[in-house]
Amino acid sequence: DAGVIQSPRHEVTEMGQEVTLRCKPISGHDYLFWYRQTMMRGLELLIYFNNNVPIDDSGMPEDRFSAKMPNASFSTLKIQPSEPRDSAVYFCASSTRQRQYFGPGTRLTVT
Amino acid sequence: DQQVKQNSPSLSVQEGRISILNCDYTNSMFDYFLWYKKYPAEGPTFLISISSIKDKNEDGRFTVFLNKSAKHLSLHIVPSQPGDSAVYFCAASLNNAGNMLTFGGGTRLMVKP
Repeated sequence: DAGVIQSPRHEVTEMGQEVTLRCKPISGHDYLFWYRQTMMRGLELLIYFNNNVPIDDSGMPEDRFSAKMPNASFSTLKIQPSEPRDSAVYFCASSTRQRQYFGPGTRLTVT
Repeated sequence: DQQVKQNSPSLSVQEGRISILNCDYTNSMFDYFLWYKKYPAEGPTFLISISSIKDKNEDGRFTVFLNKSAKHLSLHIVPSQPGDSAVYFCAASLNNAGNMLTFGGGTRLMVKP
């Protein structure tokens, strides 16, 4: 298996623009997680899905953030409009048990 | 409120010596604990785990110890190698919380040749 796939790996955008991050989980995994890593806050859980249904989105910082999982093999995290403080590395992870498998991350820079 | 804490942001160890990374938690309901390793520009990768019914789990050079009464776990790496230099995250989960993990802030380990 190719593991968790994330795209793009790097994204540079200007403040106010819409940003969409993409994730393909490992086939057969029924849980999908979105995390954000910053120096100040470490690894923060933003939202997670079980069988494509959002279970807990309490970590989503603001209404500017939204996430979807239209099917078992694809999820998106959208930020609209983006702000400089959103600059971070965003990770997607999937699991079928308690061990999560992480993608390589998307480094987002908002100028 | 941080339920999982790694109080040492960094640790420097000489090659061949033992590395001990520590992690404390506050929620006594956590029943499964994991350690992840992260290299720069990569996602965290699973290293080793332990169930709350055990107090030790060993895998090669890596051993995790769990002290439930103290709500403390530690990761021992012996002997340490330069390739072990990375950020280590501990994580904890609740059996009834799906597969959600609560992560500590990470400890950067530097193993000097």
